[in-house]
Amino acid sequence: NAGVTQTPKFQVLKTGQSMTLQCAQDMNHEYMSWYRQDPGMGLRLIHYSVGAGITDQGEVPNGYNVSRSTTEDFPLRLLSAAPSQTSVYFCASRDGGQQYFGPGTRLTVT
Amino acid sequence: GENVEQHPSTLSVQEGDSAVIKCTYSDSASNYFPWYKQELGKRPQLIIDIRSNVGEKKDQRIAVTLNKTAKHFSLHITETQPEDSAVYFCAAIFSSNTGKLIFGQGTTLQVKP
Repeated sequence: NAGVTQTPKFQVLKTGQSMTLQCAQDMNHEYMSWYRQDPGMGLRLIHYSVGAGITDQGEVPNGYNVSRSTTEDFPLRLLSAAPSQTSVYFCASRDGGQQYFGPGTRLTVT
Repeated sequence: GENVEQHPSTLSVQEGDSAVIKCTYSDSASNYFPWYKQELGKRPQLIIDIRSNVGEKKDQRIAVTLNKTAKHFSLHITETQPEDSAVYFCAAIFSSNTGKLIFGQGTTLQVKP
């Protein structure tokens, strides 16, 4: 099993550009989530999903969209990138217990 | 609201000493409490977890205690070693139906040799 995979690993965007961060898992987990990590702020939940076709907002959803068309994939879309969205983004999946994280995407918005 | 508070934000101990990190949570219905360790530049990794029907759980040098009445739980690391140096995060499930996992702000642990 590959576990949770994310692409790209690094990305630089200009203010106003849009992009999609990809996330996939091969463990057949129902729950998937996106977090952002900033120094001193911990891991903050952006959006999460409890299964295909079902998504909901987390703690910091503004500026981000998600969809869950399959159990495996949970992409995160930045609609119009802003410098405040410079961060490390982690995708995660879990069954009823342990949550597994992807390797992260380091995003810089200039 | 849904909140997890974690203290301290930084902790420095001598090798061989014990380290304790404490967390409180806001939702009395929360029933799953994991702890994650994150080394520099890497993803968070689960080190131990506890469910609400258990008061304490141990795994070698690591233990977690849970007080549901007070809504707080703690991580205890005994006989600390330099390789324990990392950022530690506590978390709590808010609403078992959604699996919504909220994290504390993190504790940077430094173990001095």
